[in-house]
Amino acid sequence: ETGVTQTPRHLVMGMTNKKSLKCEQHLGHNAMYWYKQSAKKPLELMFVYSLEERVENNSVPSRFSPECPNSSHLFLHLHTLQPEDSALYLCASSLEPNTEAFFGQGTRLTVV
Amino acid sequence: AQSVTQLGSHVSVSEGALVLLRCNYSSSVPPYLFWYVQYPNQGLQLLLKYTSAATLVKGINGFEAEFKKSETSFHLTKPSAHMSDAAEYFCAVSEGYGNKLVFGAGTILRVKS
Repeated sequence: ETGVTQTPRHLVMGMTNKKSLKCEQHLGHNAMYWYKQSAKKPLELMFVYSLEERVENNSVPSRFSPECPNSSHLFLHLHTLQPEDSALYLCASSLEPNTEAFFGQGTRLTVV
Repeated sequence: AQSVTQLGSHVSVSEGALVLLRCNYSSSVPPYLFWYVQYPNQGLQLLLKYTSAATLVKGINGFEAEFKKSETSFHLTKPSAHMSDAAEYFCAVSEGYGNKLVFGAGTILRVKS
């Protein structure tokens, strides 16, 4: 039990679909993150939220839209994705931004 | 800006043999260094971290790492590999508290029986 829970664990979606990934942390942390992990590529930081405010957006395409309604929940809204967006999407949290991160188990996304 | 290089994308050892996973970093200030492990279809789990205290850091599952400033290295070791150690290992660096974590490309450890 890592304290960071992601749902769903697996998702298959068509390129015209709209779906959302959910992340919840029970650690009392103030910062939350979305990472993308693709085969044979380093872990890519997508978004950082601190106290529900977005503090970093690493040139992520607009078809990925994050939402952080409170410090315990983080969403990643997906629309009109491309097959190359297929990857493992990892959520993480930390006490403060960019300190030791605790990861969820990830959502394996396949875009068909 | 900080960076991490993990030498060897795949490492194979026999059960009971020494595990050595290499990590070299680049940082303009004294770094914080981390090792994470990822089992198949799981997220990353922190193994150990160095934050400017003792240079030899002990982590979970019998792993340890030594910070060597002169070599800009933070190699991960375990005296005796177990089958359950088979996973992917990531080294990460940040330029101190509150600074961005940068991950290496990962090393897949295979343990042969």
